[in-house]
Amino acid sequence: GENVEQHPSTLSVQEGDSAVIKCTYSDSASNYFPWYKQELGKRPQLIIDIRSNVGEKKDQRIAVTLNKTAKHFSLHITETQPEDSAVYFCAALRAGFKTIFGAGTRLFVKA
Amino acid sequence: NAGVMQNPRHLVRRRGQEARLRCSPVKGHSHVYWYRQLPEEGLKFMVYLQKENIIDESGMPKERFSAEFPKEGPSILRIQQVVRGDSAAYFCASSLQENTGELFFGEGSRLTVL
Repeated sequence: GENVEQHPSTLSVQEGDSAVIKCTYSDSASNYFPWYKQELGKRPQLIIDIRSNVGEKKDQRIAVTLNKTAKHFSLHITETQPEDSAVYFCAALRAGFKTIFGAGTRLFVKA
Repeated sequence: NAGVMQNPRHLVRRRGQEARLRCSPVKGHSHVYWYRQLPEEGLKFMVYLQKENIIDESGMPKERFSAEFPKEGPSILRIQQVVRGDSAAYFCASSLQENTGELFFGEGSRLTVL
């Protein structure tokens, strides 16, 4: 069945450093790849997304890259801040079907 | 501009009781999804519903669990004869049309089974 693998499960960085989270997906028909941020006790919220016709997308300190051939996509956070500390989920979607989430990456940004 | 509303936010049940979780999607959204999240774990898909139809229930256990999204009123996730392993956060999400993009999540219902 469809599967999304996410690494690492935990990531600790110093404030100001960059953080990279990587995901792979199995369904080659997937065409939408969102990233959600979940703070402790809160709901997941979309922070950035990319569609399959684009290789890279950037929004201020956050960027996402997509390699459709390899079925990889990655989240890059630059100049990390303590408020970036949260759990980040990647996901993959084939239009009209369910969204499949990765297992999550717990990011700690040390001040 | 109400988002996805879930209630109750917290629910405590004893083993063997029933749990009913409600979800009102974003106004105008006709597609609802339920996900389960165990502590320190990810979001596991349970069921995808449109108004009056179950589209995909492949992630929902066949026994004790059921879901509906009636023509009028909220979507309901029902767990009968709860067991301790059902303790989790249950998140509802909605989308405007068939899933082509962003899911809008509710704040979740946290079920504790004693």
